Amino acid sequence: GAGVSQSPRYKVAKRGQDVALRCDPISGHVSLFWYQQALGQGPEFLTYFQNEAQLDKSGLPSDRFFAERPEGSVSTLKIQRTQQEDSAVYLCASSLGQSNVLTFGAGSRLTVL
Amino acid sequence: KNEVEQSPQNLTAQEGEFITINCSYSVGISALHWLQQHPGGGIVSLFMLSSGKKKHGRLIATINIQEKHSSLHITASHPRDSAVYICAVDSGGGADGLTFGKGTHLIIQP
Repeated sequence: GAGVSQSPRYKVAKRGQDVALRCDPISGHVSLFWYQQALGQGPEFLTYFQNEAQLDKSGLPSDRFFAERPEGSVSTLKIQRTQQEDSAVYLCASSLGQSNVLTFGAGSRLTVL
Repeated sequence: KNEVEQSPQNLTAQEGEFITINCSYSVGISALHWLQQHPGGGIVSLFMLSSGKKKHGRLIATINIQEKHSSLHITASHPRDSAVYICAVDSGGGADGLTFGKGTHLIIQP
């Protein structure tokens, strides 16, 4: 596609529910990043994929967070047993390679009640 | 971990004014990004630079590697420039992703 597409744009979950956030990167982009942006803060790194390989997941805040990119294109960020502190915008970005300009998706805003 | 500081945090200016937003970081980097985020919208990459200066329309970005400092300038500012401008650095690991500043909230009044 023309840009990075994220879905859903908005998600409201009850505490304890599992959620899945999807990212469709630009076709052919090798690198894919997930970021978490709390209200009023800059984004914070969660995890990085190069094709289907998850090369860095050091930013995932807990073992409730899991990301995958099984075929090297679409990626899913899954949050199990959501907590209120998980409320944030989750941004996906992709690039041709590590050293190329990033293209960001519009983000998925998660609200946990 | 790289510490990224932006200043000012908030800036209100009149249409036509020359705008400067500053970014400093603590550890050497391979690249620095300037990003624009509109309310309710996603993030748009404005510049990626590792040295010198880049210009795109009314936007100019400069970086001084020795001083670990970058500036984003907007000439002839316009209300549509109102947004949050975020500085982000790539510390060279690539796979570590970017470290972001907290952003500068810019409002240009007509």
